[in-house]
Amino acid sequence: KQEVTQIPAALSVPEGENLVLNCSFTDSAIYNLQWFRQDPGKGLTSLLLIQSSQREQTSGRLNASLDKSSGRSTLYIAASQPGDSATYLCAVKGDNQGGKLIFGQGTELSVKP
Amino acid sequence: DAGVIQSPRHEVTEMGQEVTLRCKPISGHNSLFWYRQTMMRGLELLIYFNNNVPIDDSGMPEDRFSAKMPNASFSTLKIQPSEPRDSAVYFCASSSGLEWGVTQYFGPGTRLTVL
Repeated sequence: KQEVTQIPAALSVPEGENLVLNCSFTDSAIYNLQWFRQDPGKGLTSLLLIQSSQREQTSGRLNASLDKSSGRSTLYIAASQPGDSATYLCAVKGDNQGGKLIFGQGTELSVKP
Repeated sequence: DAGVIQSPRHEVTEMGQEVTLRCKPISGHNSLFWYRQTMMRGLELLIYFNNNVPIDDSGMPEDRFSAKMPNASFSTLKIQPSEPRDSAVYFCASSSGLEWGVTQYFGPGTRLTVL
């Protein structure tokens, strides 16, 4: 059974700092991995999607990497801003699971001005 | 595009009452997902549909929960009878398919409180 873990559960950093969020999964047979952002009281917004054949994806100040063999992904946020404060969730789609996504518990990020 | 629309946004009810949550997917999307989010269990998939047909309902917690998708633009999640442990935020999401490169778009959620 696929399990997704995110560490740390919460993170507080000063504005301008570069930071890394971690995601690990137990079954390396995945189709893809996604990083989502969730603002308080809101739904989830997809940030980056990495296919199983890819090593990384970049969007602006965000860079996500994937190491399938070790069951790990990282989300790198450069030059963090207070507007980056949110909960970040990673989710994996496994082989032969249709549309099913398995989510981690998330990392709550707070960027202090 | 208006995105995924969910109603109501907040629902407070008493134990034993029937609760119906509604979802309108993004126009043109043919896959629809219902999730539940709690502090203890995080975000869990309850059921998903493809072309209005339920594909996987293994996440539905028990017989008190049921979901329907009578047409491509509407879905309901019903809880009858409701219990306090059903209190959670329920999200609906839609996508243009189930292929591996397709992302899901989430609605704002319905916060359900069962007293």
